[in-house]
Formats: sequence, C-alpha cells, structure tokens
Amino acid sequence: GENVEQHPSTLSVQEGDSAVIKCTYSDSASNYFPWYKQELGKGPQLIIDIRSNVGEKKDQRIAVTLNKTAKHFSLHITETQPEDSAVYFCAAVPGDQFYFGTGTSLTVIP
Amino acid sequence: DSGVTQTPKHLITATGQRVTLRCSPRSGDLSVYWYQQSLDQGLQFLIHYYNGEERAKGNILERFSAQQFPDLHSELNLSSLELGDSALYFCASSVFKGRSEAFFGQGTRLTVV
Repeated sequence: GENVEQHPSTLSVQEGDSAVIKCTYSDSASNYFPWYKQELGKGPQLIIDIRSNVGEKKDQRIAVTLNKTAKHFSLHITETQPEDSAVYFCAAVPGDQFYFGTGTSLTVIP
Repeated sequence: DSGVTQTPKHLITATGQRVTLRCSPRSGDLSVYWYQQSLDQGLQFLIHYYNGEERAKGNILERFSAQQFPDLHSELNLSSLELGDSALYFCASSVFKGRSEAFFGQGTRLTVV
C-alpha cells in the first residue's frame, strides 16, 4: 500500500519567516494530495490540495508543489503568523483511501 | 464549520463498557471515514463506508465495529473498552470514494477510566 513520510516532525520559525514541510509518497497511483491543519483540540481542516496534473498551486500565503517524478510534495507558508501555529498533515490518495503523514508541529514565534 | 457533525463531543466511561459515536456527514457526501488519534499521535485509519457499504478496513480492533445507515449517517461502536482506547475519534466525509476533498468533524474525545 501507499506509504507517506513527512518531515520535519517539529518546526519553529520566527514570525514573518517562511515554513516548508515536505512529504514523500511511494504509490505512483496517488493523484490527489491534500494538506490539513489541526489546531489543538480541533479536527483537521483542509487548507489546500493539489492534483497530479498540476505542479503548483497557491492560495494567498500558502502554496503546494508536486514533483511526480520524484514522488514528493511540499507545503510552503510565507510570512508566517502566530495563528499558523498548529500541526500540519499531508496525505496521498491513490484510490479510495487517504494515507496521512505523521504530522509536523509548527510553532511561529512572535 | 466543516459541515460534518460528530456527537457527543466528550465521553467518559469505564473499562469494559460499550459506547457509540455518531457522525453526520456533509449534505450530499456519500463517503464516511473513521480515524483514531491518540495523544500526540497521527491519524490512524479505522474504516471507510461509501453509500452504506464498507469499502475498506484499517487498523480496527475486533471490539470495534461501524455502520452507515440509509440516511448516510454513520456510527462507530466501541465495546469492552480498555484504558488504551482513550483517544480522539474523528470522522470525515467526502462526495466520492476518494480523490476528492474530505472534511473532518470536530471529533469525539473518549476517556476510559
């Protein structure tokens, strides 16, 4: 089955700096890659996603890039703010199932 | 608000007991996924239903079972509860079987004492 690896597990950045979280996947059948943000005590919230026919997608301060050849995708957050502090999960979807990474705890230091 | 409703939000029960967690998917969504999240852990996939039929099972214990009803709401039944079953239980719904956006509920926090 699909295997998703996510790095780093923890990330601290100064407010205003950029943050990058990277994921790799193993199944070439995966063609949908969502990212979720989970704040303490809440459910994961879909923040951005990308499909395999697209190399990059942006939504304001958030962008996701996909390299199908290398089987990796990344989340980029620019101009980070304290409210970006949360746990971020990537996922790869080869069919019916969502395979999640292990999560990255992002802390934005004011 | 994702549109996915989970009840109850909190549940405290004793070891050996049985509980039922309920999930109402977003209007129009046919797929329901259940996940378990233990303290500081990732999302462990339990089971997936699509339009009333079981599609896939993950690391779901035999003490756990689920079903999706004709109105598309789903219930997760946990029996013979153990201390280690204490966790957040999330459901997520999506329109199709996969490869489309999935939206999570706010979860049920289960505490077994």
